[in-house]
Amino acid sequence: GESVGLHLPTLSVQEGDNSIINCAYSNSASDYFIWYKQESGKGPQFIIDIRSNMDKRQGQRVTVLLNKTVKHLSLQIAATQPGDSAVYFCAEILTGNQFYFGTGTSLTVIP
Amino acid sequence: AAGVIQSPRHLIKEKRETATLKCYPIPRHDTVYWYQQGPGQDPQFLISFYEKMQSDKGSIPDRFSAQQFSDYHSELNMSSLELGDSALYFCASSLGGQGGYGYTFGSGTRLTVV
Repeated sequence: GESVGLHLPTLSVQEGDNSIINCAYSNSASDYFIWYKQESGKGPQFIIDIRSNMDKRQGQRVTVLLNKTVKHLSLQIAATQPGDSAVYFCAEILTGNQFYFGTGTSLTVIP
Repeated sequence: AAGVIQSPRHLIKEKRETATLKCYPIPRHDTVYWYQQGPGQDPQFLISFYEKMQSDKGSIPDRFSAQQFSDYHSELNMSSLELGDSALYFCASSLGGQGGYGYTFGSGTRLTVV
């Protein structure tokens, strides 16, 4: 299958700092990407998405950056809060509706 | 707002038993996806349905089958359960097939096989 992976399995940040979570994907034909947050025992929760015709998209406290040249995706969380502690997955949509999830990054916010 | 509903939330079965997981998509969503997530692993795609027809197939074992009904809810049937089937099973729904518009996950069913 296609490879969508995250560079770092764990990330610890101080409360109030900005967090950056990275993701590499391998299929240059993918045209839709989503970041999900998953808390323990719960389903993945949509955070933000981006289509391949964009290189940046902003939400509330979150920004996703897409670099198609190097097939890299990042999620930036501003002013990280304890409630942001979770596992974050990037997902890549290929044809046929199939999502490929990368290995999650566990974000821990230190109060 | 209505979300994706999965039932049951928890299920304990013995080896070689069967299990049925249910998924009720967001109203008006026509596409349903099933994922399996083992402990500490990322979700693995099993199968999807669009307009009641199978649209894509992933790593679903032959012991498992699924279908989407006329009301768009879906059921995942699992037979001859093995210990390795213990996992979280997530359902997601979206609108319009390709593109994953409104793609939303349910809270999952935790299956434990003993």
